[in-house]
Amino acid sequence: KQEVTQIPAALSVPEGENLVLNCSFTDSAIYNLQWFRQDPGKGLTSLLLIQSSQREQTSGRLNASLDKSSGRSTLYIAASQPGDSATYLCAVPNYGGSQGNLIFGKGTKLSVKP
Amino acid sequence: NAGVTQTPKFQVLKTGQSMTLQCAQDMNHNSMYWYRQDPGMGLRLIYYSASEGTTDKGEVPNGYNVSRLNKREFSLRLESAAPSQTSVYFCASSEAPVGNTEAFFGQGTRLTVV
Repeated sequence: KQEVTQIPAALSVPEGENLVLNCSFTDSAIYNLQWFRQDPGKGLTSLLLIQSSQREQTSGRLNASLDKSSGRSTLYIAASQPGDSATYLCAVPNYGGSQGNLIFGKGTKLSVKP
Repeated sequence: NAGVTQTPKFQVLKTGQSMTLQCAQDMNHNSMYWYRQDPGMGLRLIYYSASEGTTDKGEVPNGYNVSRLNKREFSLRLESAAPSQTSVYFCASSEAPVGNTEAFFGQGTRLTVV
């Protein structure tokens, strides 16, 4: 059964720092991996989708990498800002269970201090 | 710019009451999903609809029913609400099953059953 783990569960950094969020998955037979952002009391906003054939995907100050063989993905945030404070979730499709089911990690809660 | 719209945003029910959560998407997506999010449990799939006219159970379907009314709308019904169904419910959609394409989420419905 696919399991997704995100470490650390919480992270606090000063404004301007570059940071890396980690996501690991147990079954490397994935077609893609998606990163989301969730603000308190809000829904999930899609940040980046990396296909299994890709190794990196970039959007603005965000860069996500994928290493299927090691079961890992990282989300790099450059020059962090207080507005980046949110919970970041990664998710992979689960083919062993319901079709179309996304398996989510429990998230990393990021706090960027001014 | 609506994307995925859920109604209502908040709801309080008494045990045994019934209600329907509504979801509509304007992106012409084929697949739609209902998830619930609980502290410590993360997001779990309740039901999904891979395409108009089809619905399937997800990880936690007990106590729920769904209707794919048309391509745009996918509703979730609680026939007899229980306190264990207190949760935040998210509707999502994607162009194809999530193994291939990006998923987009609504803002959530916060349900409390007393």
